Amino acid sequence: AQSVTQPDIHITVSEGASLELRCNYSYGATPYLFWYVQSPGQGLQLLLKYFSGDTLVQGIKGFEAEFKRSQSSFNLRKPSVHWSDAAEYFCAVRGDSNYQLIWGAGTKLIIKP
Amino acid sequence: NAGVMQNPRHLVRRRGQEARLRCSPMKGHSHVYWYRQLPEEGLKFMVYLQKENIIDESGMPKERFSAEFPKEGPSILRIQQVVRGDSAAYFCASSPDRGLEGKNIQYFGAGTRLSVL
Repeated sequence: AQSVTQPDIHITVSEGASLELRCNYSYGATPYLFWYVQSPGQGLQLLLKYFSGDTLVQGIKGFEAEFKRSQSSFNLRKPSVHWSDAAEYFCAVRGDSNYQLIWGAGTKLIIKP
Repeated sequence: NAGVMQNPRHLVRRRGQEARLRCSPMKGHSHVYWYRQLPEEGLKFMVYLQKENIIDESGMPKERFSAEFPKEGPSILRIQQVVRGDSAAYFCASSPDRGLEGKNIQYFGAGTRLSVL
């Protein structure tokens, strides 16, 4: 069965520091992978996606993610975080059905001034 | 271009009452998906609908839960005789189509937070 693991429930980083949020997936075929962000009181906004091709994908708000098949990972990175990046981040993989998204439990990002 | 609209944002019900959650997809989108998020967990797929059709309801509890997406109007997720365990955030997403080989993007609303007293 497909699954997504986000091992870090909370991460705290200082403003201006670099960020990496981990995501590991379990899926037999080529996965379609997504990162969404949820700000307080807001809906889920798509940051970036991987379908095929270049394994380093660029997203909005200065985020990027790298697909590593050998490690079954799709980690999210940002070189320098801003206070406005404080939110909850979700990794998701497309399931066998071609429309169901399988989600990780999320990582809450806290920014220290 | 308005995004996916869900209402109400917060809904409080007593045990045994009915909860109705509404979702208006983005303009031009005819595919709707409902997900449930329990506290401290990721979202779980519930149901996938196209206009007037339920395509997949495999994630929806067999009893008390139903969903529809009529020809006119929003998609409705209905929970009858709510229990405390139904307390959760319910998210709706929409897409313009199913996408070739699943390469579609689902756009999400802000969710409805249901609290059952």
